[in-house]
Formats: sequence, structure tokens, C-alpha cells
Amino acid sequence: GQNIDQPTEMTATEGAIVQINCTYQTSGFNGLFWYQQHAGEAPTFLSYNVLDGLEEKGRFSSFLSRSKGYSYLLLKELQMKDSASYLCAVKDSNYQLIWGAGTKLIIKP
Amino acid sequence: IAGITQAPTSQILAAGRRMTLRCTQDMRHNAMYWYRQDLGLGLRLIHYSNTAGTTGKGEVPDGYSVSRANTDDFPLTLASAVPSQTSVYFCASSDSDAGGPDEQFFGPGTRLTVL
Repeated sequence: GQNIDQPTEMTATEGAIVQINCTYQTSGFNGLFWYQQHAGEAPTFLSYNVLDGLEEKGRFSSFLSRSKGYSYLLLKELQMKDSASYLCAVKDSNYQLIWGAGTKLIIKP
Repeated sequence: IAGITQAPTSQILAAGRRMTLRCTQDMRHNAMYWYRQDLGLGLRLIHYSNTAGTTGKGEVPDGYSVSRANTDDFPLTLASAVPSQTSVYFCASSDSDAGGPDEQFFGPGTRLTVL
């Protein structure tokens, strides 16, 4: 079966750095996506990785290792508005997105 | 209209009733999707459409049907609602159904409660 694993919840302090991990086992791989979802709202796109390595976009970076079936999302200089759930999703061999359950990130002042 | 809209925002429905959730996008995207999101579970694909006139089954299609008569609209119908269909439903669209970085854009969601 196909599986995406992420921690259920993480807590971090405002101004700090946090790394959210994602491991996956899917039938085929056509890219990995990270989305942000604030409570009661729709998911919004953060990043896309298809090749190994780090993609940086402002305060957010995403890393991929295809051989390990592993990705992480790195958030720097945390702000209170970063409190949200972060969803990892993999596009499989049928080009469908397989979603993890999400990591709820709590930011404390 | 800007992006994707869904209607209704929320609905309480008696079991056994028929219900259609509406979804409209104005981005001229080819692909559209319906997901349900339940606490502790990832988004699960119900049905999808790669282009107008075609539809496909996702991971959890039972009890749901869709149609794609044109590019913009992708309604989801529950023929006879059951309590297990209580969920938040998200419609999404993307420019392509294939590989590449085409992100999915999501509507605001419909919160459905079946009693």
C-alpha cells in the first residue's frame, strides 16, 4: 500500500527554526509537495521537489532524498502566523497526490 | 469569481437524502478533484476529472458521483447520504493532471454533517 508518515504535532518557539519530516512509500514518484493549512481553511501550496536536494523559498526550505523516501520542510525565523498544519503529499505513478495526515505546528511566544 | 468557489459552505443533512456539492473554477484549469478531509487522516481523493467530459474514481468513490460537463464546473453528488459521509469536502483544480510542479488550488471547503 501507499503510505505517507509525518509527526502528528510539533511545538516551537517564535523566532526559532523547526524541521518537519515526511517519509513516504508510494507506487512511483512524480514529485513531492508541501502545503500549509490554517485551521478551518483550505490547503495552500508551499513547495515542490522532484530532484534530490534543497529548495529554498524565503523563510521556508524543502529537502528531498528519493533514495531514502524522505523529505523535510524547514521553517526559519518562526512567526505566530506560521501556526498551522503542514501537509506532505507525493504524486504517484498515476499522477495522483497521496497525502499525509499533516503535522500541526504550534508556535509559542 | 476568483479561483475556486464551493457551495454550500456548510450543510446539515438527514441520512438518506440526496445532496449535491457545487464547485466552480475560473482559472480554465483542465484537471479538477474532490477530496474529503477527516480528523487524523490525510486528504482522500473521491473522484477526479482530467479534462471536461471525463471523470475517474479516486481512493474512496463509493456513495459519490461526479460529472464534468464543462471546464469550469465539477459537482459532487451524494445519492443517499450516510453518517460516515460527515466530513469536510474540498474541491481542487490544477492546470495539468500529469507530472511537474503544477500545484493544486483548493476551494474553501464544504462542511457536511449527516445525521
